[in-house]
Amino acid sequence: EAQVTQNPRYLITVTGKKLTVTCSQNMNHEYMSWYRQDPGLGLRQIYYSMNVEVTDKGDVPEGYKVSRKEKRNFPLILESPSPNQTSLYFCASSLNPAVYGYTFGSGTRLTVV
Amino acid sequence: KQEVTQIPAALSVPEGENLVLNCSFTDSAIYNLQWFRQDPGKGLTSLLLIQSSQREQTSGRLNASLDKSSGRSTLYIAASQPGDSATYLCAVKEETSGSRLTFGEGTQLTVNP
Repeated sequence: EAQVTQNPRYLITVTGKKLTVTCSQNMNHEYMSWYRQDPGLGLRQIYYSMNVEVTDKGDVPEGYKVSRKEKRNFPLILESPSPNQTSLYFCASSLNPAVYGYTFGSGTRLTVV
Repeated sequence: KQEVTQIPAALSVPEGENLVLNCSFTDSAIYNLQWFRQDPGKGLTSLLLIQSSQREQTSGRLNASLDKSSGRSTLYIAASQPGDSATYLCAVKEETSGSRLTFGEGTQLTVNP
């Protein structure tokens, strides 16, 4: 089944403890993105990647890192999480977003206390 | 800066009713518009993708239209069912936004039995 898989689905952590949210797609898509969703602010792009070893900042990149060492994986790294990073996170992938649209993962609910 | 607005924010209808959800965007320089469904605690499921050159797309009981020049899209749901209850999001892929989708805040639909 074609899909974007995120792990974990739920995570509660403490301020300052480094964490990684994994994202993997099995569709051989070039483009991958991370979004966060917050009440009243909607979905905002954090980082994106157009190919292996090519990443760039989205609208809200502060406090996050990403890497794209393989085409299928695009992990989101929070090196020192803070409570304002409590949010619902989505990974998405596309062969070409100008033509095919995006497929989204099931989301990761992160709480930083 | 692109802004996407969805009206109404919430809608409650009796089962069997036909309904229309609205999406408007401020910059008509888009490649496409995508409608998603989001169930509580779950990911985004793509419903329909309309390219900028298209006027409408249909899938089952769903029909999405696009008027690019006026910056409007509608999602028509025929013969609504309780299982259609969810939040519906529209998102545009701009011509000049890298890989980013710009989302509306969604319409929360409740279909009552």
